[in-house]
Amino acid sequence: NAGVTQTPKFRVLKTGQSMTLLCAQDMNHEYMYWYRQDPGMGLRLIHYSVGEGTTAKGEVPDGYNVSRLKKQNFLLGLESAAPSQTSVYFCASSRTGATEAFFGQGTRLTVV
Amino acid sequence: AQSVTQLGSHVSVSEGALVLLRCNYSSSVPPYLFWYVQYPNQGLQLLLKYTSAATLVKGINGFEAEFKKSETSFHLTKPSAHMSDAAEYFCAVSGQAGTALIFGKGTTLSVSS
Repeated sequence: NAGVTQTPKFRVLKTGQSMTLLCAQDMNHEYMYWYRQDPGMGLRLIHYSVGEGTTAKGEVPDGYNVSRLKKQNFLLGLESAAPSQTSVYFCASSRTGATEAFFGQGTRLTVV
Repeated sequence: AQSVTQLGSHVSVSEGALVLLRCNYSSSVPPYLFWYVQYPNQGLQLLLKYTSAATLVKGINGFEAEFKKSETSFHLTKPSAHMSDAAEYFCAVSGQAGTALIFGKGTTLSVSS
């Protein structure tokens, strides 16, 4: 039972490079989320999706794009990485907004 | 719009002492409230949730929380702390359909022997 799987687990990027983080869930959940976690800041919502083909901005969307082409996958893209995007990124999914969210193990991204 | 404020970024208790982690929420609609725990280098896991049924909610590992609408609070308690409770704890809120789960900034719990 995989749950929520994030790929990759670690990555080092140079400033200006691009990359895509992949989140996959096998629980048939409608809602999916991308958060970033920084010391003292808690988890801040980047983007989220309430169903296949839908996306919405969270509180810190600038510099990121997302896509939800398939219900089970939620991709987070960084078009031109900046040192300020150094963080731990968590993906989560839930059946609805009122039910438990299940989290992946996180992706530790360093931008140099 | 929903928001969560966790009072105290760091709480220290002795083993066997009462644990109290504070959470206040703001929501324009009846909220769904959650407490999550994060152990070092891991993702988050659910401790307990309030979804408009009983106001006193019991979770895993002996934790419980009480929803108080008049105080807009959802504080987390445990009668007797254990060393294994040392972790970071997050309060979260969501609202009506189509809205996202919003987290507080977290409280780090330290337990000393």
